[in-house]
Amino acid sequence: DAGVIQSPRHEVTEMGQEVTLRCKPISGHNSLFWYRQTMMRGLELLIYFNNNVPIDDSGMPEDRFSAKMPNASFSTLKIQPSEPRDSAVYFCASSFSTGVPRTDTQYFGPGTRLTVL
Amino acid sequence: AQTVTQSQPEMSVQEAETVTLSCTYDTSENNYYLFWYKQPPSRQMILVIRQEAYKQQNATENRFSVNFQKAAKSFSLKISDSQLGDTAMYFCAFMKPSYSGTYKYIFGTGTRLKVLA
Repeated sequence: DAGVIQSPRHEVTEMGQEVTLRCKPISGHNSLFWYRQTMMRGLELLIYFNNNVPIDDSGMPEDRFSAKMPNASFSTLKIQPSEPRDSAVYFCASSFSTGVPRTDTQYFGPGTRLTVL
Repeated sequence: AQTVTQSQPEMSVQEAETVTLSCTYDTSENNYYLFWYKQPPSRQMILVIRQEAYKQQNATENRFSVNFQKAAKSFSLKISDSQLGDTAMYFCAFMKPSYSGTYKYIFGTGTRLKVLA
């Protein structure tokens, strides 16, 4: 089975440009998570979706960041305008939740390394 | 709030030897889940092992096993017969079952393990 798929794997852009990161979760999974990894702050949860609905976006750093999940097999994380401090590795993860309480295991994609010059 | 501490930023081990990575956590919960994830140079986050707090038996997955000490809030990972492919960053993570919208993993800062030939 294919795991979580992320694209692109690497992105280099200039400050002020719009960046869109893409994620395809594991087929059948109903939850999707976006994380950011930096040396300074480690792994941070930005937002997660359950059944395509955003549940917790308290980790989204500011209004420049937005995430969508138009259907069960696709999600995007957009940064507009991008800034050098957004440089990081962005991970997407998915899981299958059977209800409450939630105890599902998250499976991660390979990440997108974003560099903003 | 829950916290996860990995006190060993870097470790090394000779090939075929055994190494133990430490992880401690702080929580007032009685039921929760603990994970070890491996992040090799490829950056992929790979689930190594999962432990449920209400299970007394330590989880094992081939050469990987944990020593779960609930009273001490300790969750160490033992890698037996270390292989060069075990070279990676290892993250410990905590998750409490969620009955509401909030659901997240708390990650440690990671331990970089190098297996020496």
